[in-house]
Amino acid sequence: SQQGEEDPQALSIQEGENATMNCSYKTSINNLQWYRQNSGRGLVHLILIRSNEREKHSGRLRVTLDTSKKSSSLLITASRAADTASYFCATAGNSGNTPLVFGKGTRLSVIA
Amino acid sequence: EPEVTQTPSHQVTQMGQEVILRCVPISNHLYFYWYRQILGQKVEFLVSFYNNEISEKSEIFDDQFSVERPDGSNFTLKIRSTKLEDSAMYFCASRLGQGSTYEQYFGPGTRLTVT
Repeated sequence: SQQGEEDPQALSIQEGENATMNCSYKTSINNLQWYRQNSGRGLVHLILIRSNEREKHSGRLRVTLDTSKKSSSLLITASRAADTASYFCATAGNSGNTPLVFGKGTRLSVIA
Repeated sequence: EPEVTQTPSHQVTQMGQEVILRCVPISNHLYFYWYRQILGQKVEFLVSFYNNEISEKSEIFDDQFSVERPDGSNFTLKIRSTKLEDSAMYFCASRLGQGSTYEQYFGPGTRLTVT
């Protein structure tokens, strides 16, 4: 089954604006994680939110989780050109030890 | 800050050849993973490894694939007879696995090109 589908697929904003990306998933989860990938590079872990949490902050990042809707959002405030990357959500199943299931990602472009 | 490392960064091989991709997970981590990402597509899980054995594998991880932790630091992925469709970015990841720590930390990847 498809899990962790992000939208939009691509987002273009001006520097200083906020960027919001959404992720939906289908099955029960233990946690949901967001990763960033610069073009052709590795995956950088950004933030993890557990199924019993509703909101989490880390610097300019704010993640929400709505388990009733099986959805999450990632907000990047005051975006910078360096935030230009692809952003992926990834879910881990109930045990937490299960492998991550990634979505297709949102390609964010921040224009200076 | 500790990080996962992978070598080589780029591997070009001919169809039918064997390749070994190498990873050094973060030293005190207990769970190890391989994922792959075909160009422009999702990151896909291949295999997880814990306590010196495979704990889970996907449908992609067929008999052509194998993993090994030959010593206390390296974690390898072997593809016995590469196919064109094995061309992808291969990521190694590790997880602490103690308590309620679920974050997986990824290496920079090995780009495998099969010609």
